[in-house]
Amino acid sequence: ETGVTQSPTHLIKTRGQQVTLRCSSQSGHNTVSWYQQALGQGPQFIFQYYREEENGRGNFPPRFSGLQFPNYSSELNVNALELDDSALYLCASRTGTRAGYGYTFGSGTRLTVV
Amino acid sequence: TQLLEQSPQFLSIQEGENLTVYCNSSSVFSSLQWYRQEPGEGPVLLVTVVTGGEVKKLKRLTFQFGDARKDSSLHITAAQPGDTGLYLCAQKLLFGNEKLTFGTGTRLTIIP
Repeated sequence: ETGVTQSPTHLIKTRGQQVTLRCSSQSGHNTVSWYQQALGQGPQFIFQYYREEENGRGNFPPRFSGLQFPNYSSELNVNALELDDSALYLCASRTGTRAGYGYTFGSGTRLTVV
Repeated sequence: TQLLEQSPQFLSIQEGENLTVYCNSSSVFSSLQWYRQEPGEGPVLLVTVVTGGEVKKLKRLTFQFGDARKDSSLHITAAQPGDTGLYLCAQKLLFGNEKLTFGTGTRLTIIP
């Protein structure tokens, strides 16, 4: 299967709840990043995984955590949801870590916290 | 804190016109990427530029990377309604981790 697939496409949660978002990357894409895109903004880097280990993190609190699995899938977990967590969450993957390699993005999960 | 500014923020032009959008940074890039994003979709990579002064063409789109590797431009010739979308530039810094820093984007609307 080609491309990056994210699930679910839309999700509504209540403040204080926990959520898990999922991403299935292309075969061979051993680098996966997660981004948060608020309405009208560019994506903001949350963290990156390479070969199942976190190797970069943006300015997000510890209640944002992730996992990457050997089958090129990954998860983003957010605990104690806040209203400001409402956003489009994007997963992006690529092969390797050298500069110049472009990312393939999924269509995102639209999370609404009420 | 690195800052990536895009201009204009919004642009609405008639089909057939030419346009240029800009991306400027306070820091030197190791690489600069341009993406286009349509509503309800993730960004789609258009081009990656790595070398200062580099010019790349993709059909009617011309991408230029500044000599000092702190700025870039995207020029579209004879714009078509299918060019409508959010254009994002994203940088990787010369020294730092692997994250991409995105600009806030230019929302382009081509009027038929």
